[in-house]
Amino acid sequence: EVQLVESGGDLVQPGGSLKLSCAASGFIFSGATMHWVRQASGKGLEWVGRIRSHVNNYATTYAASVKGRFTISRDDSKNTAYLQTNSLKTEDTAVYYCARSEYSSSWYSFDSWGQGTLVTVSS
Amino acid sequence: EIVLTQSPGTLSLSPGERATLSCRASQSISSSYLAWYQQKPGQAPRLLIYGASTRATGIPDRFSGSGSGADFTLTISRLEPEDFAVYYCQQYGSSPLFTFGPGTTVDIK
Repeated sequence: EVQLVESGGDLVQPGGSLKLSCAASGFIFSGATMHWVRQASGKGLEWVGRIRSHVNNYATTYAASVKGRFTISRDDSKNTAYLQTNSLKTEDTAVYYCARSEYSSSWYSFDSWGQGTLVTVSS
Repeated sequence: EIVLTQSPGTLSLSPGERATLSCRASQSISSSYLAWYQQKPGQAPRLLIYGASTRATGIPDRFSGSGSGADFTLTISRLEPEDFAVYYCQQYGSSPLFTFGPGTTVDIK
């Protein structure tokens, strides 16, 4: 069974940093592209960014709203993806989900999701 | 940037009725790049349909997707009590790479 478990969400002050983790199990992590998607309370879904597999040189792409402030990385030996968030703003407050895309369904959609971790940016 | 518009915003129906949800893109997109998700309160989204019309693993056949170009539809043939939720369409494009529609809420009439 595919499982994605996020952790690391917390209350942080504006301008602060936080590192989120996404622990994966039940599939070949090294072959998957991993994404982060966020959702502010009562709002819709916003894609944050992705990291591709070693086959694609771990290439990363980000949404304009977080580019230059957020960094996605992965450790295939630990089956874990990360989201480093810096220079946090109040508008970054959201539940952050990690999600997977891979060849078995489609590279263009997210076939498995974690339960989410809450990041609150407030003074 | 490709913008997705979903209609209606809210659909009030009774169990057993048919639900038809629309997703319109601001420009034509490949059917391969269009997906639908279901989200219930307090839960993560769940992939229903990818490639505009292919059901994801474990999705009941009362859910179907169709469409091409800029107009796509999610149909739930007969609503079950567990189908009342928010539905999002999503596309893969240029910048940003992935975008979601604002969602359609299907609630109980």
